[in-house]
Amino acid sequence: KAGVTQTPRYLIKTRGQQVTLSCSPISGHRSVSWYQQTPGQGLQFLFEYFSETQRNKGNFPGRFSGRQFSNSRSEMNVSTLELGDSALYLCASSPTPGETQYFGPGTRLLVL
Amino acid sequence: AQSVTQPDIHITVSEGASLELRCNYSYGATPYLFWYVQSPGQGLQLLLKYFSGDTLVQGIKGFEAEFKRSQSSFNLRKPSVHWSDAAEYFCAVGTGFQKLVFGTGTRLLVSP
Repeated sequence: KAGVTQTPRYLIKTRGQQVTLSCSPISGHRSVSWYQQTPGQGLQFLFEYFSETQRNKGNFPGRFSGRQFSNSRSEMNVSTLELGDSALYLCASSPTPGETQYFGPGTRLLVL
Repeated sequence: AQSVTQPDIHITVSEGASLELRCNYSYGATPYLFWYVQSPGQGLQLLLKYFSGDTLVQGIKGFEAEFKRSQSSFNLRKPSVHWSDAAEYFCAVGTGFQKLVFGTGTRLLVSP
């Protein structure tokens, strides 16, 4: 079974732009979570989706948003990019929220 | 609020020697505890998890961890380290399987 797929793997943007990252969960998994990993703040929870509904949200500004589609694929969007948004964005999926998450390889975003 | 402390930023172990990575958590109830490993440029791979039952849990790649409620610890151990174990290790805590709070990580170096 294929793992979690994230696209693109690498991205370079400039301040003020917006970006959309995509995550395709493992087949049959309906729960998707997003995490941000930076050298300064470490791994931080962004949000969690299940059946197209946001169940949990981390402590991030409103510039960070996400959604989940009926096929369980998820996207996250960051608007008005700041230099501090440079990070590895990790997506994780699980069959349901009550089961172990499996992580994708991440999208590395660099904001210049 | 939940928190996780991994007191060792770096650890160097000789190949074949035993390994123990420390993890202390702060959480009011019985936590869900996880150890993940991250190789350079990769996402997170689950090594093992604990949420109930036997306090000594076995994971993949020969790793084990012991939950000690009295010490609020969940240390990761391996009896004999291989060069391929060099990576960064993250301890995480959650109220369930989602919305995990991660420690800052311990980078393991394996010397010949």
